[in-house]
Amino acid sequence: QKEVEQNSGPLSVPEGAIASLNCTYSDRVSQSFFWYRQYSGKSPELIMSIYSNGDKEDGRFTAQLNKASQYVSLLIRDSQPSDSATYLCAVNILGGQGAQKLVFGQGTRLTINP
Amino acid sequence: NAGVTQTPKFRILKIGQSMTLQCTQDMNHNYMYWYRQDPGMGLKLIYYSVGAGITDKGEVPNGYNVSRSTTEDFPLRLELAAPSQTSVYFCASSYGTSAPKQFFGPGTRLTVL
Repeated sequence: QKEVEQNSGPLSVPEGAIASLNCTYSDRVSQSFFWYRQYSGKSPELIMSIYSNGDKEDGRFTAQLNKASQYVSLLIRDSQPSDSATYLCAVNILGGQGAQKLVFGQGTRLTINP
Repeated sequence: NAGVTQTPKFRILKIGQSMTLQCTQDMNHNYMYWYRQDPGMGLKLIYYSVGAGITDKGEVPNGYNVSRSTTEDFPLRLELAAPSQTSVYFCASSYGTSAPKQFFGPGTRLTVL
């Protein structure tokens, strides 16, 4: 079983609508969850982090976490063409020597249609 | 601050050649990481370091080596390059707290022919 799973997409959403991206993870002890945005040919950029159950809002972005269901989601309101990118879900796990490591999902490719 | 820098940006290697991918960060982060990203896939951890002189293997370490002699630098060495190592390589760093926000370099696109 993959540690972090995402639908690879592509997910196509009309401009102005809400884009919903989902992620499930297998390690029940994980405490930190992240959403990275990656434009084509660029490096990942952190856009949201969430550590406790519930919702966390930042501008047009809302991250949702449900630890009981091992589920993280990202909502993008009022989607813009500039939101077209691949969104990577990442979950932290404890590695050797106390290191905090991130395990990434394969990413969901999102396209916003004008 | 330049953040995380990587060199080179692009490289083509022949099978069996060796090379070193350079990574430097100026944020005084103690944790550094090397990932590879194959087309249409997420990032897979190759090696990581929790501080100077301390390194450990990630998910896909075979065919690679690392060293960490300073806080700032974390080079990745490819010995005997193989076509399976064709990928984009990202270096990242973080403060290494319990909430690790990783900052990524621009990446190195490597092709092995």
